[in-house]
Formats: sequence, C-alpha cells, structure tokens
Amino acid sequence: QKEVEQDPGPLSVPEGAIVSLNCTYSNSAFQYFMWYRQYSRKGPELLMYTYSSGNKEDGRFTAQVDKSSKYISLFIRDSQPSDSATYLCAMSENSWGKLQFGAGTQVVVTP
Amino acid sequence: GAVVSQHPSWVICKSGTSVKIECRSLDFQATTMFWYRQFPKQSLMLMATSNEGSKATYEQGVEKDKFLINHASLTLSTLTVTSAHPEDSSFYICSARDASGHDYYEQYFGPGTRLTVT
Repeated sequence: QKEVEQDPGPLSVPEGAIVSLNCTYSNSAFQYFMWYRQYSRKGPELLMYTYSSGNKEDGRFTAQVDKSSKYISLFIRDSQPSDSATYLCAMSENSWGKLQFGAGTQVVVTP
Repeated sequence: GAVVSQHPSWVICKSGTSVKIECRSLDFQATTMFWYRQFPKQSLMLMATSNEGSKATYEQGVEKDKFLINHASLTLSTLTVTSAHPEDSSFYICSARDASGHDYYEQYFGPGTRLTVT
C-alpha cells in the first residue's frame, strides 16, 4: 500500500465549475500538507500549504486537512481552462524532511 | 520569487555514455537540494537528498554509483547518470530549499530535464 493515495483521473469539468481533489494517506506522522500544480513537462509549483488540520483559503483555492481521517482536499472555485494541469498532493513529517507525493490528478477544464 | 534552473532541458544520449544535469538556485542559497525522477503519468519519486558540502543521501533502491550527485556550492548541484541505459530515460527534476527564510518548508522546483537514452 502506498503511503499517499491519489486518483490519477483524468478529471474533466466545464469552465466555471468547482474542481474537487483529494488524497488519503496512511502515515499519521505527516504534519505538513501541500498541493502542487504541474503543467506538462514542467516542474511543480506550490499552490497551497497547510500545517496540521484545518482549512486554508487563497483566492479561488481552498485546502482542507482532516488528520483524524487522514484525508486532505483541494477545491478550485470558478475553474478556468488555464487551471488544466496535474495537481499533486505532497506531505512530510516535519518542515525540513522529504516530501511524499501522491500520483497526481490530471484536471481538464473545458471552455 | 525563488527560481531554480536546470540545464539542459532535454538531452539525448547513446547507451553506455554519461550525462550530467545541473541544478542551480538563481536568487537564493540552497543548503539542501533534492533530485527526483518522474515517469510519464506517474508521480515524483525522490532519488536523493544532498546537502552542501556533504555526501548525498540516496533513497532505497537508487544506485549511488550510477546516479552521482555533487552539491559543491550553495547554488549548484549536479546529477550525473553514468553508463546510461534506455531504462534510465525519464524526466529528472531537482528542487532546492532555502533554509535562510521563514518558508523553510518550501521546496522550489526546477523545470526538469528530459533524458532520452537510445
């Protein structure tokens, strides 16, 4: 069993819809949770970062962490075609440690 | 913002030759750099962690004699794939951590290097 599970998709949504992404994990020691966006043949870029449980909002993006369920989510409101990319969740036990990535979910936002 | 560059962006080499990939932090000092590989439609797999001035720490299953990592300065790390074979063809991505700032958790990723071994 992988430490971090993420549905690879693809997830296709119409422009303006809410995109809902999630990851589950098995390591209860994870405390730092991140979402990265990766365009094709490019390196990942950090979108959201959350420490421990709770919600965090940044513009159209909302990240949620539920440590009791070992479940994290990312919501993208008012999705745009430019949001079409692969979204990777990542987590680590401490702020200086290595990241454990999910498989990434491919998102396609159609005009 | 913090920028990490990689060179080359794409390289084709013949089986049996060696290839060197450079990773540079352009506007910050990176005490720690990470090297990942990514196969098509798969996630990033950490290969090794390197700290400036010390030997790299390799993940289980990664051959240290095949993937040579050098982190000689605070802005440069290199990955050399020795005696490359077709199965080494992959997308190699580096990341760097700026330990001097408040956002010490964040890894800044390079754009990646696509290696094709023929």
